[in-house]
Amino acid sequence: EAGVAQSPRYKIIEKRQSVAFWCNPISGHATLYWYQQILGQGPKLLIQFQNNGVVDDSQLPKDRFSAERLKGVDSTLKIQPAKLEDSAVYLCASSLDFGSLEWNEQFFGPGTRLTVL
Amino acid sequence: AQTVTQSQPEMSVQEAETVTLSCTYDTSENNYYLFWYKQPPSRQMILVIRQEAYKQQNATENRFSVNFQKAAKSFSLKISDSQLGDTAMYFCAFTFRTGANNLFFGTGTRLTVIP
Repeated sequence: EAGVAQSPRYKIIEKRQSVAFWCNPISGHATLYWYQQILGQGPKLLIQFQNNGVVDDSQLPKDRFSAERLKGVDSTLKIQPAKLEDSAVYLCASSLDFGSLEWNEQFFGPGTRLTVL
Repeated sequence: AQTVTQSQPEMSVQEAETVTLSCTYDTSENNYYLFWYKQPPSRQMILVIRQEAYKQQNATENRFSVNFQKAAKSFSLKISDSQLGDTAMYFCAFTFRTGANNLFFGTGTRLTVIP
């Protein structure tokens, strides 16, 4: 089966510019996650969707970050305006469901490496 | 607060030897899952092994096994017969058994397998 797709793989922008990342989850996966991975750290959850509804966005800097998942499939993550500290790898992951007693494996995409100059 | 600590930023092992990566975590919850993920230079995060906290038996997956000590909140990964393809960042993580199942990650251990 096809994995989680992300684009672009790399992006370089200047501070105060805008940028958007795209994620296409595995077909049939209801839950989609965006993680931010700063160099030297583990991934940190930014936002979690169940279908097209938000489950958790408590760690999303809402003054500059936004995300949507129209029609419960693809998702976009936007940063506007970008700051130097936003330089990181942005990982998208998907899973079948959440909240069940049995854990559903999260499958990760290759990530987008963002450099803010 | 949920925290995961990996105290070994870097480790190396000779090919075919055995290496153990350490992980400790802190949570007040009782039902959770623990994981080890591998992230090679390609950045694709790959699940290596998982452990249900309610199971006492340590999980094993081929050359990979864990030592799960629930009371000590310790979860180490042992890689036997190390191969060059095992070179990667290894992240310890956990999630709760119910509710939103986002993953909480440690800071990672960079493992290098030396030929």
